Amino acid sequence: EDQVTQSPEALRLQEGESSSLNCSYTVSGLRGLFWYRQDPGKGPEFLFTLYSAGEEKEKERLKATLTKKESFLHITAPKPEDSATYLCAVQALSGSARQLTFGSGTQLTVLP
Amino acid sequence: DTEVTQTPKHLVMGMTNKKSLKCEQHMGHRAMYWYKQKAKKPPELMFVYSYEKLSINESVPSRFSPECPNSSLLNLHLHALQPEDSALYLCASSQVYTPGGRVGDTQYFGPGTRLTVL
Repeated sequence: EDQVTQSPEALRLQEGESSSLNCSYTVSGLRGLFWYRQDPGKGPEFLFTLYSAGEEKEKERLKATLTKKESFLHITAPKPEDSATYLCAVQALSGSARQLTFGSGTQLTVLP
Repeated sequence: DTEVTQTPKHLVMGMTNKKSLKCEQHMGHRAMYWYKQKAKKPPELMFVYSYEKLSINESVPSRFSPECPNSSLLNLHLHALQPEDSALYLCASSQVYTPGGRVGDTQYFGPGTRLTVL
């Protein structure tokens, strides 16, 4: 069974204090790993898709990396507007190609 | 443009009402999804349509009835819901899966409909 574990559950940072969110996964063949940002009461906003170990992608203050067992979302010099829940999801090669297995998310709060 | 739209934004209904949620995308995606999300939980997959045909039904109660009238529209018809069905209902779309391909994996979500069942 595919599993995704995100840590920490919650993270409070001061503005400008860089940190990383972790997403550990077990899947029978990884088709893709996805990061989303979700604001309260809104739909998840797509951030990154990673396909193979060693891959990295960046967008503004965010950088996502992937190994064979985990992914990190690095946040450099965060601002209060980066406060949100960050969701990680995996899609397996086997079974239904449509299904995503989500982690429980990391709730990030950036204090001014 | 990666926009998925959903209407209404909010819906309050009684247990005997019939209502519908609507979702629309104009990205040319041929796969569309309904998810249910409870507070502080990740989204849970309900239904998947591929080329306007239902391909996955995650054992959802029959009081939820999906419909895909064309490649851009997805509806979720609601009838005789229970208070525990109150949640954020999310629509998503993606391009169609191609074996060995990578384009098409990413699902784009709409803003959701906040449903309250009284």
